Amino acid sequence: GAVVSQHPSWVICKSGTSVKIECRSLDFQATTMFWYRQFPKQSLMLMATSNEGSKATYEQGVEKDKFLINHASLTLSTLTVTSAHPEDSSFYICSARELAGRYEQYFGPGTRLTVT
Amino acid sequence: GEDVEQSLFLSVREGDSSVINCTYTDSSSTYLYWYKQEPGAGLQLLTYIFSNMDMKQDQRLTVLLNKKDKHLSLRIADTQTGDSAIYFCAESSSTDSWGKFQFGAGTQVVVTP
Repeated sequence: GAVVSQHPSWVICKSGTSVKIECRSLDFQATTMFWYRQFPKQSLMLMATSNEGSKATYEQGVEKDKFLINHASLTLSTLTVTSAHPEDSSFYICSARELAGRYEQYFGPGTRLTVT
Repeated sequence: GEDVEQSLFLSVREGDSSVINCTYTDSSSTYLYWYKQEPGAGLQLLTYIFSNMDMKQDQRLTVLLNKKDKHLSLRIADTQTGDSAIYFCAESSSTDSWGKFQFGAGTQVVVTP
């Protein structure tokens, strides 16, 4: 149980284009999903917290117009990197929290984004 | 702000025990977690402990919590080559309604034959 998938697992795009990454909870309903960014050999940096049906809350320094998050249902959240630049290349990981009051986060396998 | 610290590297021989240490500063930490990350993959939840516990054992894994010193450790008994990975400790607080995590920098564990 508690499986989270991400799609795609890797993507290469050209500068200036937009890329959408999907995060799905496969066998549970996720009231809250988190998006992280991880640089090589570094820890996870929380980018934003999204709750189903409401606007995402972004961490300080994360551009909300660049990283669009939509949590359309209790099993799906999407992260769209708009007008991507090479510095956006990174490993993006989502996680999902099952129910309010339960604090475990279950992580997706990550999406490797390379912007050329 | 809250801070979680870990040693960055641990080398251990196959069959020996590994101990990974973590310290945290947030006194309102309610839940403490250990995650494992293998290369190119997401994070796998290994175990967690509530702050009102001081020990939790799960097969080869033992978590010790010293709440007074804000020190958390993960012991892996009979370490295997498949245990080579990066291990993250994380904490969350019941005062954060969304349950946001604070992660440590991760400890790279290398198991040698």
